[in-house]
Amino acid sequence: QVQLVQSGAEVKKPGASVKVSCKASGYTFTTYTMHWVRQAPGQRLEWMGWINAGNGNTKYSQKFQGRLTITRDTSASTAYMELSSLRSEDTAVYYCARDKMYSSSVVNAFDIWGQGTVVTVSS
Amino acid sequence: SYVLTQPPSLSVAPGKTARITCGGNSIGTKSVHWYQQKPGQAPVMVIYYDSDRPSGIPERFSGSNSGNTATLTISRVEAGDEADYYCQVWDSSSDHSYAVFGGGTQLTVL
Repeated sequence: QVQLVQSGAEVKKPGASVKVSCKASGYTFTTYTMHWVRQAPGQRLEWMGWINAGNGNTKYSQKFQGRLTITRDTSASTAYMELSSLRSEDTAVYYCARDKMYSSSVVNAFDIWGQGTVVTVSS
Repeated sequence: SYVLTQPPSLSVAPGKTARITCGGNSIGTKSVHWYQQKPGQAPVMVIYYDSDRPSGIPERFSGSNSGNTATLTISRVEAGDEADYYCQVWDSSSDHSYAVFGGGTQLTVL
């Protein structure tokens, strides 16, 4: 079945970087766009950016420009999210989420989600 | 920036109908998507393109969108529907396009 499996929880110090992986299975990885969404404790969901898994093109939320890098490894059907210069406000659950896609076009809606990765930033 | 507003909470008795609203400026001109999130779990898409249901989502879930309000309707509410519900749109009206989520509505089944 279609699923996204993310890497495990991380604890980082302020100023450090974190890299979260998202391994896809059950579908052709390169035909979909992958998004990253985060949720801080008690807060609403927050979109971070996406990567076209086919050609590697990316788009980032302005909020994370300069700190966020999304990459992919097509041979491993895996997407990665790296966030640098971490601060306490980055403590959150980070999700990868597949774009719904419709007739090969991006829908910018999220039909399959990973299980989430808890990232804790604390000194 | 574009803002989506949802009521923080809603309580409904089993078997009744729950209507969860999502307000936004001219939201009727955008495509609205809805997600269900149970405690400790990832969100699940329940409605996309205002009113379409992904496979596996019961027909009890339906959606509408017009003017400044989109609505998720859950008919014959069951205990298993208790969850947080989020609306979402893609805003491309400014120089920067991005996904926007509502603040979420906690549905309690009495």
